[in-house]
Amino acid sequence: QKEVEQDPGPLSVPEGAIVSLNCTYSNSAFQYFMWYRQYSRKGPELLMYTYSSGNKEDGRFTAQVDKSSKYISLFIRDSQPSDSATYLCAMRRNSGNTPLVFGKGTRLSVIA
Amino acid sequence: GAVVSQHPSRVICKSGTSVKIECRSLDFQATTMFWYRQFPKKSLMLMATSNEGSKATYEQGVEKDKFLINHASLTLSTLTVTSAHPEDSSFYICSARGGLAGDGQFFGPGTRLTVL
Repeated sequence: QKEVEQDPGPLSVPEGAIVSLNCTYSNSAFQYFMWYRQYSRKGPELLMYTYSSGNKEDGRFTAQVDKSSKYISLFIRDSQPSDSATYLCAMRRNSGNTPLVFGKGTRLSVIA
Repeated sequence: GAVVSQHPSRVICKSGTSVKIECRSLDFQATTMFWYRQFPKKSLMLMATSNEGSKATYEQGVEKDKFLINHASLTLSTLTVTSAHPEDSSFYICSARGGLAGDGQFFGPGTRLTVL
């Protein structure tokens, strides 16, 4: 079993839809959870960052972490064509220089 | 968010030459920098982790003599691909963490290397 599992998609939704992206993980030591957006031929952009369990909201984006289920989600409300990108979940253990462990990424297309 | 820059954004070189890629944290001091490689439509592959003033820690299978990493200051890390070959052609991305950036990890825009 991989440490982080993420459905690669592709996921195609109409403009305005609510998008739900998810990752599961196996390492209970993960404490920091992040979501990145990556456009083609660009570096990943940090969208949301959560420590431990709970919810975090920023504009149209909501990140949820359920450590008991080892499950994290990113919701995008009122999706726009400009949201079309690959979304990567990433997580790591405690602070310091521990590397992030990434999911494979989900390719999202928002159709106008 | 914190800003990480990379230079050059794109480089084409002949086989056998060496190429240096610079990564800078522009508005924070990066105690730790990471170098990744990414193939088309694939996820990021960690190459090495470096802390300022120390030797980099390379991932298994990454040749340290081929991919030289220097993290000489809290705002600059360099990756040198020595004696580049066509199979080294890839998208190289740096990432930085630390200081006022907190526990977030921020990525540069990437460098596309093409070795002819």
